[in-house]
Amino acid sequence: KQEVTQIPAALSVPEGENLVLNCSFTDSAIYNLQWFRQDPGKGLTSLLLIQSSQREQTSGRLNASLDKSSGRSTLYIAASQPGDSATYLCAVRGWGQGFSFIFGKGTRLLVKP
Amino acid sequence: SQTIHQWPATLVQPVGSPLSLECTVEGTSNPNLYWYRQAAGRGLQLLFYSVGIGQISSEVPQNLSASRPQDRQFILSSKKLLLSDSGFYLCAWSGENEQYFGPGTRLTVT
Repeated sequence: KQEVTQIPAALSVPEGENLVLNCSFTDSAIYNLQWFRQDPGKGLTSLLLIQSSQREQTSGRLNASLDKSSGRSTLYIAASQPGDSATYLCAVRGWGQGFSFIFGKGTRLLVKP
Repeated sequence: SQTIHQWPATLVQPVGSPLSLECTVEGTSNPNLYWYRQAAGRGLQLLFYSVGIGQISSEVPQNLSASRPQDRQFILSSKKLLLSDSGFYLCAWSGENEQYFGPGTRLTVT
């Protein structure tokens, strides 16, 4: 059974820092991996999608990498801003369960001005 | 573009009362549809998924049920709510690659 773990659970950094969020999964037979952002009391916003055959994806200040063989993904945020404060969720899509995603518990990020 | 609607946005219900949450999707046809629950301090838990009209798969045994009466409509129901049903309920649909989420319903069972 696929399990997804995110470390750290919470992170507080000063504005301008570069930071890395970690995601690990137990079953490397994945279809793809998606990073989401969730603001308090809101739904999920997709940030980046990495297919199982890809190594990384970039969007603006965000870069996500995937090492499927070791069961790891990282989300790199460059030059963090207070508006980046949110919970970041990693989700792994498998081949069963209607192609549903298995989620980690998230990393709660606070960027201080 | 695709849009996903959920209502109501918030709901406060007493224990033992019924529940009906609705989700509709626009701009796509024959999507896979999902219901997730996010309880306080816990991650997102998949409750149900549907790959077509009338086709529902349950992932967690509980007092909730789901139905898909139309291609782009997904309903989450309960006959009698429990305190443990409190949480944030999210509907999602997926295309070939990504999954997209609705704005969610905050349910508080008192």
